This record gives sequence, structure tokens and C-alpha cells, in this order.
Amino acid sequence: NAGVTQTPKFQVLKTGQSMTLQCAQDMNHEYMSWYRQDPGMGLRLIHYSVGAGITDQGEVPNGYNVSRSTTEDFPLRLLSAAPSQTSVYFCASSGGSRIERGASTIHEQFFGPGTRLTVL
Amino acid sequence: DAKTTQPNSMESNEEEPVHLPCNHSTISGTDYIHWYRQLPSQGPEYVIHGLTSNVNNRMASLAIAEDRKSSTLILHRATLRDAAVYYCILRSARQLTFGSGTQLTVLP
Repeated sequence: NAGVTQTPKFQVLKTGQSMTLQCAQDMNHEYMSWYRQDPGMGLRLIHYSVGAGITDQGEVPNGYNVSRSTTEDFPLRLLSAAPSQTSVYFCASSGGSRIERGASTIHEQFFGPGTRLTVL
Repeated sequence: DAKTTQPNSMESNEEEPVHLPCNHSTISGTDYIHWYRQLPSQGPEYVIHGLTSNVNNRMASLAIAEDRKSSTLILHRATLRDAAVYYCILRSARQLTFGSGTQLTVLP
């Protein structure tokens, strides 16, 4: 298994440009998510999905869109890049995401290697 | 959202045990306690998780206080490869909320 893969590894954008960060997993995981990590900080959740066709917002969703048309892929779109979106972006997936009686049964999350994005 | 508090940094000598503390006084009954670590320039890596009982796996042990307001990650014999930022995270139904973590330095 390749696990969680992300492309590109590095990207430089100009303010106002749009682009899509790709994320794919081959573990048949239902749960996928996107995080950003600013220098010296912990990760912050942008968007997540509990299955194909289902997405929801995390802590910092503004300026980003996601879709989940297949179980394997979870792309993150930057609509109009801003310097404040300069960050490292991590995609993650996990299995066993079905929620039962309010208690999480989500198992460990597997993270991709990250995409380092710079917006000028 | 429930938050966690960890020391910013800790040091340990190689091959000695390390106890990494975490406070989570506002934890709810359905929050799982997860620990991840992040090596330089890499994505986070799952270490261990638990709900109420202490847990052991090949990487570490997790000791959870009886009132669940704190927990401790135990690395039984630190190696140089264990130098990383360790995150204590409360897992609500659908989200992981990362704090700033503890930078662990392992001295040879």
C-alpha cells in the first residue's frame, strides 16, 4: 500500500491564483481530512469527510473548498490564494469512522507527507 | 472544544524512560485521548490512544488518570529517533484538535 499520498510536494502561487492540492489513499478509509500547519504551531483542521459525498467544515475552512466524489480522493481547492494561506498542508485518513451513540469509533489517522505552499 | 495543556519542551537521556504529561480538565465522557508525534519535516504519526483504561502498544504506554482530567505518555526507553513534537489530543466524534505539543529532546 502507498498509504496517503499528496501532490505536489511544493508549490508557489501568486496572490489571487487558484489551485488544487491532491490527496489520495489506498486503504479504503472512510474518514479523510485536511489540516494546515503554520510555522511553530500545531495542526488546524480545515475540512473533513466521513465518506464519499459527505464533507464538513473544520476549524479554519474559509478560503478552501473540498469535495469527496470517491472514497480514495479528497482534493483541497484554494479559491483565490492569499499570503495568509502560506503553510504546510497535511491530508490524513482513517478507518472505522462510523459514529455510534455519540462516541467516536475512529481509529488512528494516517498522515501524508505534506504540501508546502507559499503564496507571494 | 475540549483543550489540552502540555509543557512546551522536555529533555531526556537516551535509554531512559520518558513521561510526557497532558492536562485535559474539560474532557467529556466521549472524548478519546490520542497521542501523535511529528518528526521534523514529516506528517504526524499515530502513537497511541485510550478512553478510560491504561493502554500499551509496541511504541508506548498511556496512563490515564481515574478522573480522566490528565494523562501521561510513557516511552519506556527513549532513543534518538524519539526526538519529536508530541501532541496530546482529545478526539471528539469527528475531529482531532491539535495543541502546540511538547518538543522532546533526547540527549545521547
